[in-house]
Amino acid sequence: QQPVQSPQAVILREGEDAVINCSSSKALYSVHWYRQKHGEAPVFLMILLKGGEQMRHEKISASFNEKKQQSSLYLTASQLSYSGTYFCGTEIRWGNTGKLIFGQGTTLQVKP
Amino acid sequence: NAGVTQTPKFQVLKTGQSMTLQCAQDMNHEYMSWYRQDPGMGLRLIHYSVGAGITDQGEVPNGYNVSRSTTEDFPLRLLSAAPSQTSVYFCASSRPPGNTGELFFGEGSRLTVL
Repeated sequence: QQPVQSPQAVILREGEDAVINCSSSKALYSVHWYRQKHGEAPVFLMILLKGGEQMRHEKISASFNEKKQQSSLYLTASQLSYSGTYFCGTEIRWGNTGKLIFGQGTTLQVKP
Repeated sequence: NAGVTQTPKFQVLKTGQSMTLQCAQDMNHEYMSWYRQDPGMGLRLIHYSVGAGITDQGEVPNGYNVSRSTTEDFPLRLLSAAPSQTSVYFCASSRPPGNTGELFFGEGSRLTVL
């Protein structure tokens, strides 16, 4: 089942902050975050593992609440280059096989 | 480094035609997968493989077949194309699931079914 991302779209001015949330109805092993620019392939930002620490990528950080099956992506002091669509991918483990299921995406537009 | 290579980049098919989307990776990754991307739907998993000879279904497998005869290649077959299969298709690879790692995506293949 697809995780649910919120909000669906965000418009910011340069320097403003944003939070993107990702929720799953299933117990999660890990959460991935990717960013996709228009017409390009998704690019990896970070992974959060069950029991792991909060991760950072430049001025972008993320947290993972295992009990609530939720992850949040924090974009601070946003830059024009942050514009794009952000996807969370959730991994549910059974046996030795994991598969990554993505949310529907959150479109972020940063204006000057 | 080539990474993940998808061919073709663009394809137009008529309803009922068959075709194969090719995917090859040169990183010796055991895990490979196919996603389709439609507006507002995000990336949906079609099929995935955790190693040569092993494949499994994802969220939207109907109408697609896969096989994994080598570590490097993971082709996606459409046996009888339908307009609902118009989409952008991404192939991805990663290290084994036991060492959770990032997905490396190909550049995508844009398919239009008339």
